[in-house]
Amino acid sequence: NAGVMQNPRHLVRRRGQEARLRCSPVKGHSHVYWYRQLPEEGLKFMVYLQKENIIDESGMPKERFSAEFPKEGPSILRIQQVVRGDSAAYFCASSPGQVFEAFFGQGTRLTVV
Amino acid sequence: QQQVKQSPQSLIVQKGGISIINCAYENTAFDYFPWYQQFPGKGPALLIAIRPDVSEKKEGRFTISFNKSAKQFSLHIMDSQPGDSATYFCAAKGNTPLVFGKGTRLSVIA
Repeated sequence: NAGVMQNPRHLVRRRGQEARLRCSPVKGHSHVYWYRQLPEEGLKFMVYLQKENIIDESGMPKERFSAEFPKEGPSILRIQQVVRGDSAAYFCASSPGQVFEAFFGQGTRLTVV
Repeated sequence: QQQVKQSPQSLIVQKGGISIINCAYENTAFDYFPWYQQFPGKGPALLIAIRPDVSEKKEGRFTISFNKSAKQFSLHIMDSQPGDSATYFCAAKGNTPLVFGKGTRLSVIA
């Protein structure tokens, strides 16, 4: 009965490289949410996806960031040409539907050097 | 524009005491108010949640009080223990994804 699985747990990238963060939701959950957390800050919503569809991306920067949740496989948050300001913890959550509780993964801590 | 305002930022409570964390919201479309607990290096874990049709919900030592007219809700931790030391986040949602407060770092000292 696995919860939300995120990998890698820690990721180090040099400025200008690409970062790929993966999230496998709870089995049977078709809704995935990505949040970003900076030190001493709350979680900031980035994007909400259902299988093969982006429902709400209002919190995601327009450039360099993209997300997908394919029919098969995990959800991917992709950050191109990373900059130091992208360093943060990125959390994924899943739910069986929009009105249900969301369960969070352990996060991926991205460090850009 | 912060949709959910949380206070205090940090809190120190004696073991056995009551920890109280407050949140206020603006959006009257919010209809679900959860609290999450986060330990260092871990993801947020759902602690307790309330919907606006009730004014209070209790689960063990944790109680949510909800005041719809004031648009405020609070978390009370009774008989606080050192193991409760963590960061607590209030959140709210309507037909949008969860919006979080900035968090309260709770330290329970013996």
